This record gives sequence, C-alpha cells and structure tokens, in this order.
Amino acid sequence: AAGVIQSPRHLIKEKRETATLKCYPIPRHDTVYWYQQGPGQDPQFLISFYEKMQSDKGSIPDRFSAQQFSDYHSELNMSSLELGDSALYFCASSLGQSNTEAFFGQGTRLTVV
Amino acid sequence: GENVEQHPSTLSVQEGDSAVIKCTYSDSASNYFPWYKQELGKRPQLIIDIRSNVGEKKDQRIAVTLNKTAKHFSLHITETQPEDSAVYFCAASIMEYGNKLVFGAGTILRVKS
Repeated sequence: AAGVIQSPRHLIKEKRETATLKCYPIPRHDTVYWYQQGPGQDPQFLISFYEKMQSDKGSIPDRFSAQQFSDYHSELNMSSLELGDSALYFCASSLGQSNTEAFFGQGTRLTVV
Repeated sequence: GENVEQHPSTLSVQEGDSAVIKCTYSDSASNYFPWYKQELGKRPQLIIDIRSNVGEKKDQRIAVTLNKTAKHFSLHITETQPEDSAVYFCAASIMEYGNKLVFGAGTILRVKS
C-alpha cells in the first residue's frame, strides 16, 4: 500500500540558507501534519492542514511557513536556518481531520552546518 | 494546552519478561491515546491505540489500559523479545479538534537476551 512520501530524505544546509521539505500524503488523504523531532527528543507538532487550509498551529517559528496544494501535497519552507533547526522532520497524513489515525512518513533529516 | 508525562525514561528487561510504560495527561478533553514505536532514525510507527470510551485494548503481546479519572494510561508488553528494543512514545490528542498529537518524552526499552 502507498505510504506517506517525504523528500528529500536527507538535506544539508548552511546557516542562514533556506530549505524546502516536501510531503506527499497517502492517496485520498486530505489532512497533513508536520512534526519536528530533535535529537533524543519527542516529536513536536508544528502545523497542520485540512483541505488546503491551515487547521492548527503549534510551535512553528516565524521563519518557517507551510502550505498544502490542490493535489494535497504539502511543503514546509524554512528560511534563515539556524543550527538548532537540525532535526528530523516528519510529515503525517490522515483521511479527514478528526477521528482518524495519522500515518507518518519516513522523515527528512535536516542538518544545518 | 495538553501536557503528557511518560515514565520511565529508560527500561531494561530480560527477554521473556514483561515491560510496562506509564503516561499521564493533563487535558481531560483528550480522547485518543496512541502508542508509537520508533527505531533509531526511523519514523514513529503506531503499535496500538485506545479511545476514551474503552478501558483496555489488547493486540497479541501488547495491551494498553486507560484510566480516565486519573488521566493515566499504560502500555504493557508481555514476553518481550530483542526486536522489541526501541524508543516508545505515548501521545494524546482530541480527535474532534484536528487530532494534533502531543507526545510524551519517550522510553528507551532495552530487551536483553
């Protein structure tokens, strides 16, 4: 069965650069969640979208923005990268924004040097 | 907002023994409690979940119990095997409000053979 696809899998950027992470949800899934997981930490919710509209916002820095497109894929744009942004970024998708299980992608490992 | 506490942070058991991980949550409105297993550098994988209308759920060697009054839920793994070694995260969410997951800090489970 098709899963959540994230690209790239690995990304190395320098401080102050920008990065774009992409997430392709499971077919027919209309809800996307973004999580950030630092080394040795639990995943922290960043932002979510339902039917191309932002549905909830967590601890997402102002330097980050995200959107969901008409084909339901989502992109997380990160600007003015800092060393502390180095983390695993997971995208999860679900069918509907309530009462349904979310499935995680394999993540993008971002390293800022 | 919701706060989830998880204990212990590390747990070592002998192969064949049982393992128990406990979580407490703060928001009485939370009604969905999943447990995830995460291997190093990989995505969180749902292993079992429970909704607030159920007190216990079992799936082979894994069981979860929920005490809504105490705002406490636990993961029980019986007959542990070396391949159960991983980091386990509990989480809580309000499914009707977008199902944003708030994770516990994680438990490193080591099963010694």
